[in-house]
Formats: sequence, structure tokens, C-alpha cells
Amino acid sequence: AQSVTQLDSQVPVFEEAPVELRCNYSSSVSVYLFWYVQYPNQGLQLLLKYLSGSTLVKGINGFEAEFNKSQTSFHLRKPSVHISDTAEYFCAVSDVNGNKLVFGAGTILRVKS
Amino acid sequence: GAVVSQHPSWVICKSGTSVKIECRSLDFQATTMFWYRQFPKQSLMLMATSNEGSKATYEQGVEKDKFLINHASLTLSTLTVTSAHPEDSSFYICSARAPGQQETQYFGPGTRLLVL
Repeated sequence: AQSVTQLDSQVPVFEEAPVELRCNYSSSVSVYLFWYVQYPNQGLQLLLKYLSGSTLVKGINGFEAEFNKSQTSFHLRKPSVHISDTAEYFCAVSDVNGNKLVFGAGTILRVKS
Repeated sequence: GAVVSQHPSWVICKSGTSVKIECRSLDFQATTMFWYRQFPKQSLMLMATSNEGSKATYEQGVEKDKFLINHASLTLSTLTVTSAHPEDSSFYICSARAPGQQETQYFGPGTRLLVL
């Protein structure tokens, strides 16, 4: 079985500053990794995913994440955040069959002006 | 592409009544859809996997007789909360897999259920 740990429940940051949202996973098998964003009272939007190949994955809205197998991490980064990036971000993992998507507890990103 | 819709977006009902929530894949056919529940300030928890033309697979602890799932077509899955009680109040979100992207789930906008 897979599990996901998002180390920060909330991350406050000033507008135009860089941000990193941390995610660590645990699995005994090969995995796929995902980051989703959820705006208030809305469903989840896929930001990016890692399936295989290059460990640096670029997504929408200027976000990127790096898969680190030795550290079992998949941290999300953005070099310069905007007020509109304020939302909750979920890291998720599945096996390579795409079954059983398991979510972390989420990290609320608060961008301040 | 890969748009998933849900209806209704929110519903308020009396305790003891049943509520049906629809999940539709708008621009693709989905043989598999998923139903999640999200309580306030918590993450998503998978309730069941819905397969077109066959019975749904429920996660441990989810009552199949209370949460009826029907996946009668390749673009529609429904979740019926039977005899709803206040503890069933939650945010219900569905997702679907797009053809050729079996590893990725695309999520609907969610349905907020409040049982009085």
C-alpha cells in the first residue's frame, strides 16, 4: 500500500516570493506521483504528474516538481507566486496501474500582498 | 479536454431522504469512475470505484447499501445516498479516467451535501 505525507499544513508566503510545498511518499512498488490544486468549494485540478523519465516535471501555472527516488520525495515548487495561487494543494500517489489514488492531507498555500 | 461535471453542485435535504448525485464525463468515455468524500479540512477519501456495466467496488468501511453506485453508460455514473443522515453531510467528488491516460484521474467540481 502507498501513503503520502505532506509535511506542512499551511504555508504563508508573500507575493512574488518562491515557494516549495513538500511531499514524501511510501511504497513497496513503483509509483506514479501527482500534484492537484483545489480552490475553495471546487474539485481538484491536475497541476502535474510524474510517470517516468525526467525527474523534473513541469506543470501548469508555472509550477514544477522534482521526483527524488532516494529520498522518496516529490516536492512542488514555484519561483514566484501570485495572489491567485492561494489554494489547497494535494500530493497523491498511485501504483503504476493507476489504481487507488492515495492523497496527502493537503497544504494550504496563502499568498499575501 | 478531459472535463468532468457533477450535478447538483450543492443540495440540502431532510434526514431520511435519498439524494442522487450525477457524474458525467463530457468529452470522453470513461469505463472507470471514482467517488470520493471530503470532510471539512480533510483530504479526499476514496469511497468506491465505479465500472461501467458491472458492480462497483467499495472501500473498506463504506456501506454499499447506503451509497448506491450505478455506472450505466460510458459517460455517466451516479451516487445515491440513501436514507441520508446529518453525518453524511460532506463534499462528494467524482473522478474519471480518460482513454489512453489510465494513470490519470480527472475530477469533477464536487457536490456539497447538507443533511438537516
